[in-house]
Amino acid sequence: GAGVSQSPSNKVTEKGKDVELRCDPISGHTALYWYRQSLGQGLEFLIYFQGNSAPDKSGLPSDRFSAERTGGSVSTLTIQRTQQEDSAVYLCASSLGTDSYNSPLHFGNGTRLTVT
Amino acid sequence: EDQVTQSPEALRLQEGESSSLNCSYTVSGLRGLFWYRQDPGKGPEFLFTLYSAGEEKEKERLKATLTKKESFLHITAPKPEDSATYLCAVQVPFGGYQKVTFGTGTKLQVIP
Repeated sequence: GAGVSQSPSNKVTEKGKDVELRCDPISGHTALYWYRQSLGQGLEFLIYFQGNSAPDKSGLPSDRFSAERTGGSVSTLTIQRTQQEDSAVYLCASSLGTDSYNSPLHFGNGTRLTVT
Repeated sequence: EDQVTQSPEALRLQEGESSSLNCSYTVSGLRGLFWYRQDPGKGPEFLFTLYSAGEEKEKERLKATLTKKESFLHITAPKPEDSATYLCAVQVPFGGYQKVTFGTGTKLQVIP
């Protein structure tokens, strides 16, 4: 079946502009995660959704970052007034959710964001 | 605070030269430990879940093992196509959900 889909795959934007990154999770997966991966670094947790609610937003780096999820499916990560340090690969993952703990995360191929 | 440390950071092997990657962790209430493979320009691809100390899982040339403090990913007679970054992650209960924290990975290069 279809995996996690992210769009766009690449985004180049000017400093100060806003960007929206989209994630389509695997159908039936109630849990959705956003991570950030900088060049040569590990995965940095940003935010977790269970259904449409976000019980853990602790990883969002600043108030310029926000995310929403609608219909228990598609999620959008928005970065306002982008800065050069926001340049990274943004990865989305989904899983069956907390009712099935131990269920692994399944990742999309990410959006590579470059802020010039 | 939950910590996951992977070693070595990078590993270069000759084709056929077996070795092991290490993932050590300090967490409260481990629910599961995951191993992933990540190829350049791709998202991490799920390999294994381990739930309890003593458990082992195998897939082709890879075998993952788990103790109370660490996990090993053993690679037997690797081939160039095994070259990738290998990530481990721990799943722990956090505020009513299962938080997943990743290590920084081991970059494996297998030379023909």
